[in-house]
Amino acid sequence: GAGVSQSPSNKVTEKGKDVELRCDPISGHTALYWYRQSLGQGLEFLIYFQGNSAPDKSGLPSDRFSAERTGGSVSTLTIQRTQQEDSAVYLCASSLDRGYQPQHFGDGTRLSIL
Amino acid sequence: QKEVEQDPGPLSVPEGAIVSLNCTYSNSAFQYFMWYRQYSRKGPELLMYTYSSGNKEDGRFTAQVDKSSKYISLFIRDSQPSDSATYLCAMGVSSNTGKLIFGQGTTLQVKP
Repeated sequence: GAGVSQSPSNKVTEKGKDVELRCDPISGHTALYWYRQSLGQGLEFLIYFQGNSAPDKSGLPSDRFSAERTGGSVSTLTIQRTQQEDSAVYLCASSLDRGYQPQHFGDGTRLSIL
Repeated sequence: QKEVEQDPGPLSVPEGAIVSLNCTYSNSAFQYFMWYRQYSRKGPELLMYTYSSGNKEDGRFTAQVDKSSKYISLFIRDSQPSDSATYLCAMGVSSNTGKLIFGQGTTLQVKP
């Protein structure tokens, strides 16, 4: 497909478990972003990748959250020891480059922590 | 105070009406502005994108930016039931990261 692909689309897990969320950006897009969307907080930035480097991690809420990107393409967001407040929709976006380039979003992973 | 303020609505209009959606912001360093449309259980879809003051038109959509007033608008002409969705404004500051700051979103319902 031509768009940003995220998997799984839904994830239900128990509190304390680790989860991995995957993002496949649009081919050729060097910039990749993770955002979180929750009812009370709206859409919040988590982390930005340029290639395989993450120059801006300022939005990661705690050290339980980490992300990596390999081959300048696929990215994985990992949440360790999940808490109920981690329940949200995790959205990935990509753009041709950083800055002024428009960002295109996937449909997200809906994460529910029981 | 949030950096970007957007009335959550809901906003309900009859089919064919002109819709006006607005955001205000406090950070004068914002340099570029986007409008996204989001349907239920889907990701945000880019509608409009601009980095200058003034108007930009694309079909039934017009984006307006007034940097002096820190105010942006999205106008939808001849609104259709298929326009029923949540509309999000987003803004960016630095060309170094591309991090976007979003408004809370306005829920729009267009009634047939």
